[in-house]
Amino acid sequence: DAGVIQSPRHEVTEMGQEVTLRCKPISGHDYLFWYRQTMMRGLELLIYFNNNVPIDDSGMPEDRFSAKMPNASFSTLKIQPSEPRDSAVYFCASSTGGAEDNEQFFGPGTRLTVL
Amino acid sequence: DQQVKQNSPSLSVQEGRISILNCDYTNSMFDYFLWYKKYPAEGPTFLISISSIKDKNEDGRFTVFLNKSAKHLSLHIVPSQPGDSAVYFCAASAHKLVFGKGMKLTVNP
Repeated sequence: DAGVIQSPRHEVTEMGQEVTLRCKPISGHDYLFWYRQTMMRGLELLIYFNNNVPIDDSGMPEDRFSAKMPNASFSTLKIQPSEPRDSAVYFCASSTGGAEDNEQFFGPGTRLTVL
Repeated sequence: DQQVKQNSPSLSVQEGRISILNCDYTNSMFDYFLWYKKYPAEGPTFLISISSIKDKNEDGRFTVFLNKSAKHLSLHIVPSQPGDSAVYFCAASAHKLVFGKGMKLTVNP
């Protein structure tokens, strides 16, 4: 299996532009998670899905962020409009179960820079 | 407020010696704890975990200790190897994972 796939690996954009990050989870995994890593806050959970349905989006920082999972093999995280403080590494992860005792497999991340 | 704290940002040890990574948490509802390792330009990978009903879990060179009364857990790596050099994240679960900020471990040859 190729593991969790994320694209793009790097994104540089200007403030105010729309940014779309993409994720393909491991086949057969029912859970998909979006995380953001920054120096100040470490690794934060933004949102997670179970069977394509958003379960908890309490970590989404504000309305500029949105996430979708139209099918079991694809998810997007969109930022519109982007701001310099959104610069971070965004990780997607998937697992066969919930967070309690199921290993989450992470993708390589997308490094986002907003100028 | 950080519910999972890794208060030391970095640790440097000599190859062959023991590495001890510490983690504190505040939420008594956490019932499962995990350690992840992260190399540069890669996503975190699962290392070892422990349930709140246990106080120790061992996997090869890696042992995690849990002290529930102190709300503290630690990861011991013995012996440390240069390939262990990475950022280590402590995480705790109560329906979803909460991660610490990470700690950079450097193992010197």
